[in-house]
Amino acid sequence: EIVLTQSPGTVSLSPGDRATLSCRASQTITDNYLAWYRQMPGQAPRLLIYGASRRATGIPDRFSGSGSGTDFTLTISRLEPEDFALYYCQQHATSPWTFGQGTKVEIK
Amino acid sequence: EVQLLESGGGLVQPGGSLRLSCAASGFPFGNYWMHWVRQVPRKGLMWVSRINSGGTGTTYADSVKGRFTISRDNAENTLFLQMNSLRADDTAVYYCVRDVGAGWYSFDSWGRGTLVTVSS
Repeated sequence: EIVLTQSPGTVSLSPGDRATLSCRASQTITDNYLAWYRQMPGQAPRLLIYGASRRATGIPDRFSGSGSGTDFTLTISRLEPEDFALYYCQQHATSPWTFGQGTKVEIK
Repeated sequence: EVQLLESGGGLVQPGGSLRLSCAASGFPFGNYWMHWVRQVPRKGLMWVSRINSGGTGTTYADSVKGRFTISRDNAENTLFLQMNSLRADDTAVYYCVRDVGAGWYSFDSWGRGTLVTVSS
C-alpha cells in the first residue's frame, strides 16, 4: 500500500500567515490523485482539494494544492481563525486508499 | 443541503456484531458511490469499504475483509455496514462518506460519525 508521510507534524503560525504543508508518498501516485482535508476539533474532516489541485465545492481560493509524482503541497495563503486545525492528505489512486498521519496548524 | 446521519454504534464485546446505518438526504443518493471511513479517537483515518451506486460492486480494506459487509438501499436512501467478529482494534468512530464522483475515491461529504467500542 502507498504510505503517505506528512510534514511538519505541527506548525505554529499567526492569523494572516501563509502555511505550507507537505505530503510525500512512498511511491508515485497515478494521475496525481492526491486529496487534502481539514479537520476542526470535534468535527468530521472536510474535503479541500482533490486531484492534487482541484478545489472542492465551496472551498475558498486561499486554499491551493500543487505537486506531482510523490511530492505534494497544500498552501493556505492567509490563515483564518478556522484554519487552525488538523490537515490530512489522502491518495485516491490505488487501493487501499490511504491517509497521511496529519499536520496540526496551531496558533503561535 | 447534503446530510449523512450515522446510527447503530455502541459498546460490544470482542467477537460480537453491530450493524451501522447511514441515512442520506439532500442529494440523489442512488447516483453516488458511498464509503465507510473510520478514525481511532485522536488518531488517524482509515478507509474501510466502498460500494458503487447500484450496490453491485464492493471493496474492503484487508483488515476487515470477510468480517464486514457494506450494502445499500437506494429506495430508502440508506447505507449499511454489517460488522461481525469484532476485535478491539475495530474500536473507532465510523463515518459514512460520499464519493466526489463515480470512482474518484475522495470524499466530499461526511456524516458526524458513530462510535464503536469493542471491549469486554
